[in-house]
Amino acid sequence: SYVLTQPPSVSVAPGKTARITCGGDKIGSKSVHWYQQKPGQAPVLVIYYDTDRPSGIPERFSGSNSGDTATLTISRVEAGDEADYYCQVWDSSSDPSYVFGTGTKVTVV
Amino acid sequence: QVKLQEAGPGPVKPSETLSLTCDVSGGPIRSYYWVWVRQPPGKGLEYIGYVFYSGSSNYSPALKSRATISLDMSKSQFSLKLRSVTTADTAVYYCAAAGCSGLSCPFDYWGQGTLVTVSS
Repeated sequence: SYVLTQPPSVSVAPGKTARITCGGDKIGSKSVHWYQQKPGQAPVLVIYYDTDRPSGIPERFSGSNSGDTATLTISRVEAGDEADYYCQVWDSSSDPSYVFGTGTKVTVV
Repeated sequence: QVKLQEAGPGPVKPSETLSLTCDVSGGPIRSYYWVWVRQPPGKGLEYIGYVFYSGSSNYSPALKSRATISLDMSKSQFSLKLRSVTTADTAVYYCAAAGCSGLSCPFDYWGQGTLVTVSS
């Protein structure tokens, strides 16, 4: 089955830029969605179809996808951005299914 | 704005069947894929499966032998049954809605989640 690999943790200072990677074989040929999950809460969609932002999500959140790596970028990081982030794709292999990445904990230090 | 609310019976014993329902409001049943996702304590998200109003469904390869998702359009509700549970099935279970015209849909709306504990 398809595997999506994320770094377990990313630390970033307030006002700086956080980049969260999501690695997968030829992921650039797939559509990637990103979710933010704060402690005790349900996930929230922050980026869909690689680069699109749902209404209500700040422009500070952006996405890119090419080759074997998709990236979620959070600019001008705020304390409220501290959360777990997950990437997701549809794996259209012989046994198709949605797949989530391993998750990245973003800490604002 | 779609709103989702999970409901379940509480603790489940090993080898029994876990049953959950998700009440849907605020959105047409025919416009979304209806999804279940789970998250074991302290771990990441795991996709379980979806059902569409047409009757089509999809399951994670890891769970397809034990999971069944069904849709009751008259009640605006969909459900999950997971058979032969073990303690490894202890998790927060989320229902979600994915709205798009094809596959690879983002999960736009989520319920608040319900913790299901498998214990003897």
